[in-house]
Amino acid sequence: NAGVTQTPKFQVLKTGQSMTLQCAQDMNHEYMSWYRQDPGMGLRLIHYSVGAGITDQGEVPNGYNVSRSTTEDFPLRLLSAAPSQTSVYFCASSYRPAESYGYTFGSGTRLTVV
Amino acid sequence: GENVEQHPSTLSVQEGDSAVIKCTYSDSASNYFPWYKQELGKRPQLIIDIRSNVGEKKDQRIAVTLNKTAKHFSLHITETQPEDSAVYFCAASKNTGGYNKLIFGAGTRLAVHP
Repeated sequence: NAGVTQTPKFQVLKTGQSMTLQCAQDMNHEYMSWYRQDPGMGLRLIHYSVGAGITDQGEVPNGYNVSRSTTEDFPLRLLSAAPSQTSVYFCASSYRPAESYGYTFGSGTRLTVV
Repeated sequence: GENVEQHPSTLSVQEGDSAVIKCTYSDSASNYFPWYKQELGKRPQLIIDIRSNVGEKKDQRIAVTLNKTAKHFSLHITETQPEDSAVYFCAASKNTGGYNKLIFGAGTRLAVHP
């Protein structure tokens, strides 16, 4: 039982490049979400999913796409990276209802866009 | 949408003292309030949570209080130890369409000095 696994741990991109941050969980959690963490701003919700095939936008969705084709995987795609997307990205998952089980976070991906 | 404000942004205490972190939320429909601890370079981890039908909850040296009328909740850590040094995040959520969308405060950096 690996929990929530994020890859890569570190990434440097050039402005305009695209990439996908991977998130996988092996706990059969229905809920999955992506947050970005910036100094002094806490964790801000980018996108979330309540199950395979169902996704929705969070607080800061612009510049990011997601899909959920399986229960286990929830990748985050940056279509055209910008320096403003330099951040630490966390994936989180939970059983349903989340308020009864809490969220489990991955170890994070530190992304730098130059 | 929901907005969560957290104070103070930094807190410095002597070992053995108590520490209090306060959060206010804007959406009166919010009903779940977790607290997360994040050590340097690590992922956020749930330390305690409270639901809107409860006014206070304790777990050893930590406690959380909730005032629904005033829309604020607080984390209390007693007999602080150096290992309590970390960034603490509060969050608030309500069940929207079957999903608890966690909205986080900006975080409090707690330093416990021996």
